[in-house]
Amino acid sequence: ETGVTQTPRHLVMGMTNKKSLKCEQHLGHNAMYWYKQSAKKPLELMFVYNFKEQTENNSVPSRFSPECPNSSHLFLHLHTLQPEDSALYLCASRQEAGLLKAFFGQGTRLTVV
Amino acid sequence: QKEVEQNSGPLSVPEGAIASLNCTYSDRGSQSFFWYRQYSGKSPELIMFIYSNGDKEDGRFTAQLNKASQYVSLLIRDSQPSDSATYLCAVNIGEAGNMLTFGGGTRLMVKP
Repeated sequence: ETGVTQTPRHLVMGMTNKKSLKCEQHLGHNAMYWYKQSAKKPLELMFVYNFKEQTENNSVPSRFSPECPNSSHLFLHLHTLQPEDSALYLCASRQEAGLLKAFFGQGTRLTVV
Repeated sequence: QKEVEQNSGPLSVPEGAIASLNCTYSDRGSQSFFWYRQYSGKSPELIMFIYSNGDKEDGRFTAQLNKASQYVSLLIRDSQPSDSATYLCAVNIGEAGNMLTFGGGTRLMVKP
């Protein structure tokens, strides 16, 4: 247990649906990350938030929309996804972006049908 | 050139042997380096981090860093079947060093 909690653990959604992934940590960390892990591909960094401000957007399509209302919570809003967006979505947090160790949540396994 | 590169493997070693995992990175300004272990179907788990050139030991694990060669490695001594997993190298890259970027991982198989 890393102290980073992601919900839901599994999600199946249609291409016209809108859904949100949630990540929560109460470790006192100020940086949070979204990653995508597809089968047989490296972990892909999607977004970085540091002190609630988005500092990196790694050329992610606009159908993925992040939101960081405070340093403890991070959301990934999903709409009009494609089947190739099916993947494991991982959230990580660390004390500050660029500093110290990052800890991962258990991930949300997303299937787009 | 990929920002963080690893040999995908699989790397197969017998139980009790030393497993050596390698990683190279492209950003000369990178300052911090991490090794994660990922079991199938699970999320990555941090096992080592290193910031300075040289070796850092923690139990059966030793991380080695050579910034001049842009190379970081992980040695696992007395390998156990439970060490069988994918090992991910991660590096902070980018101007602000915010982007924790991962290599593709090396799959390690330890045979009893």
